[in-house]
This record gives sequence, C-alpha cells and structure tokens, in this order.
Amino acid sequence: QKEVEQNSGPLSVPEGAIASLNCTYSDRVSQSFFWYRQYSGKSPELIMSIYSNGDKEDGRFTAQLNKASQYVSLLIRDSQPSDSATYLCAVNIVTQGGSEKLVFGKGTKLTVNP
Amino acid sequence: SAVISQKPSRDICQRGTSLTIQCQVDSQVTMMFWYRQQPGQSLTLIATANQGSEATYESGFVIDKFPISRPNLTFSTLTVSNMSPEDSSIYLCSVQADLSGNTIYFGEGSWLTVV
Repeated sequence: QKEVEQNSGPLSVPEGAIASLNCTYSDRVSQSFFWYRQYSGKSPELIMSIYSNGDKEDGRFTAQLNKASQYVSLLIRDSQPSDSATYLCAVNIVTQGGSEKLVFGKGTKLTVNP
Repeated sequence: SAVISQKPSRDICQRGTSLTIQCQVDSQVTMMFWYRQQPGQSLTLIATANQGSEATYESGFVIDKFPISRPNLTFSTLTVSNMSPEDSSIYLCSVQADLSGNTIYFGEGSWLTVV
C-alpha cells in the first residue's frame, strides 16, 4: 500500500459548489497532515494543516481528520474558478530510523467551471 | 512563513553536464530539504540538507548524483550531476519554519530540462 493515496481525479465542479478532496495514509503514528495547492507552472503553496481529529476551518476551506480511519479530507465551499489547481495531500511519516519526512500523494486536479 | 529564493528558476541543460541550484532563505531555519517533481508526478524527497554535515539521502538518491551543501542556516545548494533527460524535473527547496516544527514551505522551484 502506498504511503499517501489520493483520489486521482480529475475532479470537476461548477462554480459555487462544494469540492471534496480525499486522502488516506498508511502510517498509523502520523500526527501532522497538510494540504497544498499547486497551480500549473508554480510550486506548492500550503493552504491547510491539521493535527487533531475533527474539523479545522479557514475561510472557505475545511480540513477534516480521522486518525482511526487514517483519512484526511479537504472541503472547498463556494468553489471559484481561481480554485482550479492540483491539490496535494502530505503526511508526516516517521521512518524506521526514527526521523520524520513529509510524504506527498500524487495530487487531485480540480477544475471549477464558471 | 520564510521567504525562499531559488536560482536558477529555469534552465535548459545539455546531457552529461552538471548544474548547481541555489536556495537562500531570509531567516535561519533548522531544516532544509530538496524535493523533485517529475512531469505529471507528485513530490519526492531527495534529501535533507544538514548544516555543517553530509546530507541525509532518501532511498533511490545518492550523493554522487545529487551532491548537497549547507554551509549555514540560511543557504543550501543541490547539484544535479551528469544529467540525462530523465533528470528533467522541477527541483524544489523547502524549509521547516514554524514554531511547531512541522510545516514545510517551498521555494519557487528550479525547472530543468535536459536535452
């Protein structure tokens, strides 16, 4: 099983709708989870971090974490065409040597149609 | 968040040559990392750049191919050696720069094409 898996998409939603992006991870001891947005031709930009079970809201974005299910999601409310980008889920993984590294999923490409 | 500057931002390189990418941060940071993003793929960690000592490489990456320097807490370089077309990629410098020590921020990336 891959360390971090995302629904590959592409995901297409109409403007104003809710976009739901999902991510599962394999390492049960992971404690830190992140969502990055990457516009075409640009580097990833951090949009949300979450460390505790439950929901975390920031403007139109809500991150949801369920450690028991090893599942993290990102909801984008009132989606705008400017939200069209690839969304990368990243999880802090503890290696066998005890160090930590950030592992990324393959990303979900979101298109918001006007 | 830290401001991370990378040079060059873009380059076209000849097969067999080497290129050094520079990463400058506007504040001292504990952890610096180098990632690679191949076309259409996600990010893969190459190595952790350790200040004053040898970098820690991930499986599949070796020092001879990707030598890294980190002389101080604000600067690092990554060299891509003996390049082949398979090295065409975005190379991203990143830093861990928040109080919790977990959040990673990225530079603008260096887009390399090997011909």
